[in-house]
Amino acid sequence: DAMVIQNPRYQVTQFGKPVTLSCSQTLNHNVMYWYQQKSSQAPKLLFHYYDKDFNNEADTPDNFQSRRPNTSFCFLDIRSPGLGDAAMYLCATSRDPKGDTQYFGPGTRLTVL
Amino acid sequence: DAKTTQPPSMDCAEGRAANLPCNHSTISGNEYVYWYRQIHSQGPQYIIHGLKNNETNEMASLIITEDRKSSTLILPHATLRDTAVYYCIVRVGGKLIFGQGTELSVKP
Repeated sequence: DAMVIQNPRYQVTQFGKPVTLSCSQTLNHNVMYWYQQKSSQAPKLLFHYYDKDFNNEADTPDNFQSRRPNTSFCFLDIRSPGLGDAAMYLCATSRDPKGDTQYFGPGTRLTVL
Repeated sequence: DAKTTQPPSMDCAEGRAANLPCNHSTISGNEYVYWYRQIHSQGPQYIIHGLKNNETNEMASLIITEDRKSSTLILPHATLRDTAVYYCIVRVGGKLIFGQGTELSVKP
C-alpha cells in the first residue's frame, strides 16, 4: 500500500543535542510537509517542500531545518533542541501545494531530556 | 489563524449517527472545507472534503449549507473506533490551518 512512513516513532534526545527525524513516502507526491503538534494542541505547519523548493512558514524558528534529497525522503533537523521542542512531529504529502489532499504519516514523538 | 469554530467535545452512542458541526462564516468562494480526524497518538487521517455540494464517501457524509458558512460531518453508524479528535479545516492557499477540533467520544 502507498503510504507515508516516519522513523523512528519515538525519539529521545538531550537538551542541545542535534536530532534528525525522517519521513519517506511511496505515493510519489511532489509536496512534503512538516508539522509540529505539542501536547493537547492542533498541528502547526513548520515548512514544506514543493519538489526541491523549500517554503518556510514565517514563524518557524531558525532552530528547525529541513532537507529533501530526493522525491521519496524528507528530513527534519533540530539543531539545538530545547525543552519546548518536545512534541509530535508529523510529516504529510500531497501531489501539489494548492489543490490536493494532504496525507499524514503516523508521527514521531520527540522527548527532550 | 484557523477560520473554523467547533464545539470542543461531543458524545455519541455506539451505532447511532454522529453529527459534528463546524462554523466557517468567513470562508471565501474558492476555499474548500476539509475534515480530518486524529486518533490518540496517531497522525491525522483524511476523511472527506467539499466546496459547495454535499459529499459522501465510505467513511462519512459532508453537508455544506447553501451560504457555505457552516457544515456538518456525519458518521452514519458510529463505532468505538471512531473515538477521536475531528478537525474541520478551511484550506487557505493550499495550507491546512488546524483549529482545536471536536473530541468525539463514542460510548457503548
